[in-house]
Amino acid sequence: EDQVTQSPEALRLQEGESSSLNCSYTVSGLRGLFWYRQDPGKGPEFLFTLYSAGEEKEKERLKATLTKKESFLHITAPKPEDSATYLCAVRPGSSNTGKLIFGQGTTLQVKP
Amino acid sequence: GAVVSQHPSWVICKSGTSVKIECRSLDFQATTMFWYRQFPKQSLMLMATSNEGSKATYEQGVEKDKFLINHASLTLSTLTVTSAHPEDSSFYICSGCKGQGYEQYFGPGTRLTVT
Repeated sequence: EDQVTQSPEALRLQEGESSSLNCSYTVSGLRGLFWYRQDPGKGPEFLFTLYSAGEEKEKERLKATLTKKESFLHITAPKPEDSATYLCAVRPGSSNTGKLIFGQGTTLQVKP
Repeated sequence: GAVVSQHPSWVICKSGTSVKIECRSLDFQATTMFWYRQFPKQSLMLMATSNEGSKATYEQGVEKDKFLINHASLTLSTLTVTSAHPEDSSFYICSGCKGQGYEQYFGPGTRLTVT
């Protein structure tokens, strides 16, 4: 069964304290791994797509990496405005429509 | 960019009435759109996949007759919650697929409260 597990569920950091969020997945034939950011009361905002092991993408203080079993979202020197829930999703090989399987998310709080 | 809008952003209705939510892709054509609902502090739950010009595909456990989905054009999909009840109160979010990478771009969501 295709599955996505994110850890930790919640993470509290001090401003400037770098850390990583984990997304472990079990999927038959990965056709893409996606990271989103969601602020309270809003829809998810697209961040990154990764397709193959070894791939990395960066955007400001965020860097996403991918292995055959998991993805990491590294946050370097976070600021309070990085506080949000970060969602990981995978598109399995069986999905011809773009249907995604989402993890439960990691809620990040960055304190000044 | 890839912008998706939803209307209304919030709605309050009485039990037994129907509510229609619109989802529009503003700067791209979305052959496929998705509808999700989200409960507080939970992840997204896919309700249905909508393809332009064809019937929607509903996830297991989602009532087709209660949640009517119409994908009339490449930029518009609608979700109608029929005979709404308090347990239908939730945050409904749509998304549109763009490009060969199948990235989903999400709308801002619609907060439905049924009294």
